[in-house]
Amino acid sequence: EDKVVQSPLSLVVHEGDTVTLNCSYEVTNFRSLLWYKQEKKAPTFLFMLTSSGIEKKSGRLSSILDKKELFSILNITATQTGDSAVYLCAVSQGTSYGKLTFGQGTILTVHP
Amino acid sequence: GAGVSQSPSNKVTEKGKDVELRCDPISGHTALYWYRQRLGQGLEFLIYFQGNSAPDKSGLPSDRFSAERTGESVSTLTIQRTQQEDSAVYLCASSLVPLYEQYFGPGTRLTVT
Repeated sequence: EDKVVQSPLSLVVHEGDTVTLNCSYEVTNFRSLLWYKQEKKAPTFLFMLTSSGIEKKSGRLSSILDKKELFSILNITATQTGDSAVYLCAVSQGTSYGKLTFGQGTILTVHP
Repeated sequence: GAGVSQSPSNKVTEKGKDVELRCDPISGHTALYWYRQRLGQGLEFLIYFQGNSAPDKSGLPSDRFSAERTGESVSTLTIQRTQQEDSAVYLCASSLVPLYEQYFGPGTRLTVT
């Protein structure tokens, strides 16, 4: 059975801290891994990773994929209260049409 | 440009009634997906549309659920004889082509009383 597991399930930090969110997966015919930020209802796209070892970066956020060890990390540096959200990891498989299998999410709370 | 839109944003219905949820994808996006998110859980895939191909309905939880899409535009998700366990946020997403990143709408929060 295809599986995506995120850790930790929740995390509480203070502004300025750096956080690392983890996503591991076991799926057949892996194609890509995606990170989303969900604040209220609509998940907002952050990154799509297809190649191992190539870091993707956007401002204070960065992510990298390890296809050998089957995991990805999402780093957020100098956290701000606006980073408080649920961070979702999802995997798409090459045998299908891009149906995403999601992890359960990591709830990040950043206190001032 | 306009993103994915969904309506209604909230729907409260009585158990046993039928509901219809609507999704307008980003213009030009050929692939459309429906997901369901129960409280405190991740998203679960429901159904996928691509152009004029037959939809993949493998994620629909029961035959009370159905969906249609008109060409490459609007989609409706219908739930017949709603049950309390159908209460969830129903999210629609579209992508330019399959396997590209998916962009999500704001969702419809369905509450079955």
